[in-house]
Amino acid sequence: EVQLVESGGGLVKPGGSLRLSCAASGFTFSNAWMSWVRQAPGKGLEWVGRIKSKTDGGTTDYAAPVKGRFTISRDDSKNTLYLQMNSLKTEDTAVYYCTTSSIAAAGTSFDYWGQGTLVTVSS
Amino acid sequence: SYVLTQPPSVSVAPGKTARITCGGNNIGSKSVHWYQQKPGQAPVLVIYYDSDRPSGIPERFSGSNSGNTATLTISRVEAGDEADYYCQVWDSSSDHLWVFGGGTKLTVL
Repeated sequence: EVQLVESGGGLVKPGGSLRLSCAASGFTFSNAWMSWVRQAPGKGLEWVGRIKSKTDGGTTDYAAPVKGRFTISRDDSKNTLYLQMNSLKTEDTAVYYCTTSSIAAAGTSFDYWGQGTLVTVSS
Repeated sequence: SYVLTQPPSVSVAPGKTARITCGGNNIGSKSVHWYQQKPGQAPVLVIYYDSDRPSGIPERFSGSNSGNTATLTISRVEAGDEADYYCQVWDSSSDHLWVFGGGTKLTVL
């Protein structure tokens, strides 16, 4: 059974940093392309960024609002995905979901989701 | 940036058919995925590649995509279908590789 478990959320001041983790199990993590999706309180879903598998280059892509501030990385030895968030803004307040697809390819659906972790940016 | 437009809300009586639309420029040339999200829960994939259903999703859920509109159809609606529904496409030219619609709240009367 595929499981994605996020952790690391919390309250942080504007301009601060936070690192989220996503522990994966039930599938071959090293082959997977992983994404982060966020949802501001009472709002819709927003894709944040993606990292490919190392065999596919391990490259990352980011949504414009977070590019240059957020960094996605992975540790395949620990089956863990990370989201390093710097220079946080109040508008980054959201539940952050870790998600992946059954097929590692562009344009595929997000078949599996974690339960999410809440990040609150406030002074 | 590619934009997907969904109606904020759709209401339907139990046993009837609900249709949730997702509008986008020439969306028929793209593959559309649909997600269901109940309060306090993570999204669940209900339709992928326009009209395919993941295992475990009832046959009452179906999808279509043509022209400028994709549609999620839920037949014989049940109280348990009440949720927010989001469409999604991949657009490599957008500032978001994956674009979501704004979501539609389905209310079962």
